[in-house]
Amino acid sequence: DQQVKQNSPSLSVQEGRISILNCDYTNSMFDYFLWYKKYPAEGPTFLISISSIKDKNEDGRFTVFLNKSAKHLSLHIVPSQPGDSAVYFCAASANTDKLIFGTGTRLQVFP
Amino acid sequence: DADVTQTPRNRITKTGKRIMLECSQTKGHDRMYWYRQDPGLGLRLIYYSFDVKDINKGEISDGYSVSRQAQAKFSLSLESAIPNQTALYFCATSDPLAGEQFFGPGTRLTVL
Repeated sequence: DQQVKQNSPSLSVQEGRISILNCDYTNSMFDYFLWYKKYPAEGPTFLISISSIKDKNEDGRFTVFLNKSAKHLSLHIVPSQPGDSAVYFCAASANTDKLIFGTGTRLQVFP
Repeated sequence: DADVTQTPRNRITKTGKRIMLECSQTKGHDRMYWYRQDPGLGLRLIYYSFDVKDINKGEISDGYSVSRQAQAKFSLSLESAIPNQTALYFCATSDPLAGEQFFGPGTRLTVL
């Protein structure tokens, strides 16, 4: 039973355009959501997070949207850059407990 | 210097061998975690520890054991390695008041 799902294994976007990565969850007890970015041969690095009391959080080119009624969150990257090419994982937790990760989406940004 | 370090970075071993992966952190965090990453399966939690005297099984603990030697050190052991334990292994740490975890660079383990 996968509690956090990323249904798109890959995404290809042209440089300068918007990248939208999606994530769905099933556990209504989740109250904190995070996005991580992973380059090959490196560990995941924290990118941005959002609490369930908010529906949007923005940090530079990165914005995370949370739709609690749909149990859906998305990461928007605008404008996309070649250096954004990586695997992106969404993760969720309840009451600062352990994180549950999705399976990841590989983003490729081409010139 | 890296906040979370893992040794070794790469290891090739044979079926039946005992293997230990080590993790050290300088972030002063109480919480530490071990994950494995497999293609198409994301990051799955093996074991976690919320302080030195606390050890908890994660989603996929069978075939693994851990030791929390100190606040800064958390090691993962494969008592008798098998080929389907071939994967990338990551250690992570977190502060109990914050949600994000900080990951080490990973260990690529191959079991022949």
